[in-house]
Amino acid sequence: AQSVTQPDIHITVSEGASLELRCNYSYGATPYLFWYVQSPGQGLQLLLKYFSGDTLVQGIKGFEAEFKRSQSSFNLRKPSVHWSDAAEYFCAVASTGGFKTIFGAGTRLFVKA
Amino acid sequence: DAGVTQSPTHLIKTRGQQVTLRCSPISGHKSVSWYQQVLGQGPQFIFQYYEKEERGRGNFPDRFSARQFPNYSSELNVNALLLGDSALYLCASSLDGDTSTDTQYFGPGTRLTVL
Repeated sequence: AQSVTQPDIHITVSEGASLELRCNYSYGATPYLFWYVQSPGQGLQLLLKYFSGDTLVQGIKGFEAEFKRSQSSFNLRKPSVHWSDAAEYFCAVASTGGFKTIFGAGTRLFVKA
Repeated sequence: DAGVTQSPTHLIKTRGQQVTLRCSPISGHKSVSWYQQVLGQGPQFIFQYYEKEERGRGNFPDRFSARQFPNYSSELNVNALLLGDSALYLCASSLDGDTSTDTQYFGPGTRLTVL
């Protein structure tokens, strides 16, 4: 069965510091992977997605993620965090031709001045 | 362009009651999906509708039902509410509902509180 694990419930980083959010997935075939961000009172916004090809994916707001098949990981990174990046981040996986997306439990990011 | 809209924003019900949540997709999108997000957890898939037909259903009891209208808007109904149904209900729209290739756009959600 497909599943997504986000090991960190919350992370605190200083503004301007780099960020890495971890995501591990379980899926038998080639996965379709996503990172979403959710700000308080708002819905989910897609940051980036991986379908195939280059394992380093660029997204919006300066985020990138790297797909590592050998480690079943899809970690999200940002070189310099801004206070406005404080939010909840969800990693997700979808199946080929599927109709549902499976989400991890999320990692809440706190940014300190 | 208008994004996905959901109504109401907040709702308070008591156990045993019934509730209807509404979603209007982005213009041109023919698929609507519903997710339940319990506090502290990620969204869980409930239903997907495409062209007014149910395409898939998650692991939810029959108390949960949904439909899609000719204008592609959708309603989610929950009967015999339980305390555990308290959650943020998210609606997502997409062009054709294939979550592997089609981008889902999420609405702001409806916050349901069951007392």
